[in-house]
Amino acid sequence: DTEVTQTPKHLVMGMTNKKSLKCEQHMGHRAMYWYKQKAKKPPELMFVYSYEKLSINESVPSRFSPECPNSSLLNLHLHALQPEDSALYLCASSHRLAGAKLSYEQYFGPGTRLTVT
Amino acid sequence: GNSVTQMEGPVTLSEEAFLTINCTYTATGYPSLFWYVQYPGEGLQLLLKATKADDKGSNKGFEATYRKETTSFHLEKGSVQVSDSAVYFCALSDRSGSRLTFGEGTQLTVNP
Repeated sequence: DTEVTQTPKHLVMGMTNKKSLKCEQHMGHRAMYWYKQKAKKPPELMFVYSYEKLSINESVPSRFSPECPNSSLLNLHLHALQPEDSALYLCASSHRLAGAKLSYEQYFGPGTRLTVT
Repeated sequence: GNSVTQMEGPVTLSEEAFLTINCTYTATGYPSLFWYVQYPGEGLQLLLKATKADDKGSNKGFEATYRKETTSFHLEKGSVQVSDSAVYFCALSDRSGSRLTFGEGTQLTVNP
C-alpha cells in the first residue's frame, strides 16, 4: 500500500479565516513533506519533517504553520492567507526501510486545492 | 546545486506513437532519479525510479535508463495511449533523501 491521503480535497477560505489541511500515511515512513504547486509548475518544497521533528523550512511565511502530531499525521495550519497563496497543496512521505535498504522515493497524496478569496 | 532540465512541451502525439521525453541533470555525488506523472486534477504518482548508474526503471510500458556518462534519464514508451495524457516530471533526490529537485514538467497529449 503506497497511499497518502489528504483532506479536504477542496478548500475556499477568506483572508481572515483559519483553516487546516490534513495528511495521513500508514506506510511506516518517517519523513513527511508539504509542497505548494501552482498551475503548470513543478511542486515547491515548503516543509520537511523527519522523525516528527521539523528539519527543513524553506523560508515559508509564518501564515503557514506545520504540525506533526505523530509519525502518521501531518497538518498545515493556515491563517491570514493572501490570494496569491491559492494553489494545490501536496503532502508526501518517504524513507521506508526495506531490510537494510533505504528507499528515497517520495509518495504524494492527491492534494488540497486551496482558493483564497 | 542540483538541477534538472526537461525537454519543453507541450508534446502532442497520435495513439500508438513512440514517446521520448528528454531529461538531463546536474548533481554532486550519485543521486537517485525519478519520473513522476500527474494526471489532471490529481497529485503526483511515482512512475519509475533508478538509484545507480545503468539501472533501468520500468513501469506500465515506460522505461528510463540512468546514464551517468551523459547525466541523462530519458523517458520512453513504445506505444502511447490516450490515457497516457498527463504532465511528466523528471526529478532527482540527493543521498540524504530530503529534497527532490524537479524539472519544469512536460505536458503530453495523446490523440486518438
